[in-house]
Amino acid sequence: QIQLQESGPGLVKPSETLSLTCTVSGASIKNYYWSWLRQPPGKGLEVIGYYTGGTHYNPSLKSRVTVSMDTSKNQFSLRLNSVTAADTAVYYCARVWASHSLDPWGQGTLVTVSS
Amino acid sequence: DIQMTQSPSSLSASVGDRVTITCRASQDIDTYLNWYQQKPGKAPKVLIYGATSLQSGVPSRFSGSGSGTDFTLTISSLQPEDFATYYCQQSYNIFTFGGGTKVEIK
Repeated sequence: QIQLQESGPGLVKPSETLSLTCTVSGASIKNYYWSWLRQPPGKGLEVIGYYTGGTHYNPSLKSRVTVSMDTSKNQFSLRLNSVTAADTAVYYCARVWASHSLDPWGQGTLVTVSS
Repeated sequence: DIQMTQSPSSLSASVGDRVTITCRASQDIDTYLNWYQQKPGKAPKVLIYGATSLQSGVPSRFSGSGSGTDFTLTISSLQPEDFATYYCQQSYNIFTFGGGTKVEIK
């Protein structure tokens, strides 16, 4: 059974870089595709970026985002630069699956941007 | 970007009701449409992928239809555990989600 777990700081200062890691268990990340998404409190879902052979980014975030994979640790990572309060959200990682649906998801981690 | 418009944004229904949620894409996305259920404080869970395929383990009261720009998620007989928020997602190109439909108890 594939399981995903997000980890990283829960509080980031404005203008700094948000860095999160998704650790995958139960499968090799080399065999699948992976994504990062977020959900601001009380709002809907937004894709940040994903890897499906190539890397694809949300155009509204593209200039600030990097998604990368570390196959030696079976992890994939997210870096979001120059954060503001608008980047406060629950951040999720998920596998890209059939018809590019997203399954399973990690439990999510709340990141708050505040000084 | 492909815009996804869900309707209604919320609805009230009773246990046993038939519930229909619609999702419209701003351009043709073939059948690259997926549906999710999200309960408070939890990650979303996929229900339907490829517009009509039921994800393994999802009850058969959930079904999806549509292609092109217009899609529907139907719950044939609403159960207590189905009160949640539902999202559509297009995977034709850069993923985008609908705004969500909150299904509440009447």
